[in-house]
Amino acid sequence: GAVVSQHPSRVICKSGTSVKIECRSLDFQATTMFWYRQFPKQSLMLMATSNEGSKATYEQGVEKDKFLINHASLTLSTLTVTSAHPEDSSFYICSAGLAGGGHTDTQYFGPGTRLTVL
Amino acid sequence: GENVEQHPSTLSVQEGDSAVIKCTYSDSASNYFPWYKQELGKGPQLIIDIRSNVGEKKDQRIAVTLNKTAKHFSLHITETQPEDSAVYFCAATQDSSYKLIFGSGTRLLVRP
Repeated sequence: GAVVSQHPSRVICKSGTSVKIECRSLDFQATTMFWYRQFPKQSLMLMATSNEGSKATYEQGVEKDKFLINHASLTLSTLTVTSAHPEDSSFYICSAGLAGGGHTDTQYFGPGTRLTVL
Repeated sequence: GENVEQHPSTLSVQEGDSAVIKCTYSDSASNYFPWYKQELGKGPQLIIDIRSNVGEKKDQRIAVTLNKTAKHFSLHITETQPEDSAVYFCAATQDSSYKLIFGSGTRLLVRP
């Protein structure tokens, strides 16, 4: 159980185009989903917290107009990288929170999306 | 805010030996500490977690210990196998925020 999928797994696009990444919780409902970015040989950096039916909360330094997040249902969140540039090339990973008896949500991660902007 | 430090950055052990990775955290309000294993090109996989109301948790060859007074927690892997080779991340969070703060990662290499 607690499986999270991402689509696509890999995408290559031209500079200036927009790219949409989907994150789905397959066997549970996730009130909260998280989007991370990971550069090579570095740790995961939280970009934003996405709550179903409300606006996402972005971390300091993350441009909300560039990284559009939509959490339309309890099983789907999308991240759209608008007007992508080479510096946006990275590994984007989502996670979904699984509530456990009133404790902090255990986060389960998707397999990641490798974005390359030419 | 919370800050998590992780050591060592790289660890090489012989197959069958034990591996220990240590993390310290700064915020005494943190109460949930998961460990993730990340293989190359994949997303992190939760391998074990511990909450602040317990001091130790074990799952087969993997164990985690927590010292709340010293604000540090450790991952112990016994009888290591080549397939344990990966990058391991510790993290910490509080009930109120749900946001995970990650350590910098440890690259574990298990030599056959």
